[in-house]
Amino acid sequence: DTAVSQTPKYLVTQMGNDKSIKCEQNLGHDTMYWYKQDSKKFLKIMFSYNNKELIINETVPNRFSPKSPDKAHLNLHINSLELGDSAVYFCASSQLEANTEAFFGQGTRLTVV
Amino acid sequence: GENVEQHPSTLSVQEGDSAVIKCTYSDSASNYFPWYKQELGKRPQLIIDIRSNVGEKKDQRIAVTLNKTAKHFSLHITETQPEDSAVYFCAAIGPGNQFYFGTGTSLTVIP
Repeated sequence: DTAVSQTPKYLVTQMGNDKSIKCEQNLGHDTMYWYKQDSKKFLKIMFSYNNKELIINETVPNRFSPKSPDKAHLNLHINSLELGDSAVYFCASSQLEANTEAFFGQGTRLTVV
Repeated sequence: GENVEQHPSTLSVQEGDSAVIKCTYSDSASNYFPWYKQELGKRPQLIIDIRSNVGEKKDQRIAVTLNKTAKHFSLHITETQPEDSAVYFCAAIGPGNQFYFGTGTSLTVIP
């Protein structure tokens, strides 16, 4: 069983389009995250959700919006895609107040052309 | 939020030598420090972690040390092997369970 799964694995789209990336975890964790990994390999936190509440939002453009229908899912919607949005996006989950590891999904490679 | 710095950004060692990667953090409330290994094209995966009540932890060829007073922690890999080649990330986690990652170290082990 895959602990954290995200779809699609690859996404190629044109500038200006709107796209979504889905993430699901079956670990019973109560915190989920989205990270952006650029060409320099930096893992930059974008959002985290704890029990369906957004608890952190770094300096991310408002074209990016997380949607959490329940605590097992955290989807990422991106509007008006730009070339600079091209990156690998990772979903992750962890258990709050347990000081345990975060588990990552396999990543979604987004290419904006 | 937390600020995690990681050095060096790239590291090349001969097979069998040791590799050391160092990280510093800014938030004294951080109390959990995992290390992740990311192989090319794959997801980051935990290799070792340490909590704030411990100064050192070892798992076979990998060890991590933590100095809470100085707010720095290090990863030590001994007897390096080619399969250790990857990008390594440190992270600091504090109240609220926010995972802040360092900027990564690309380790190359030369056979």
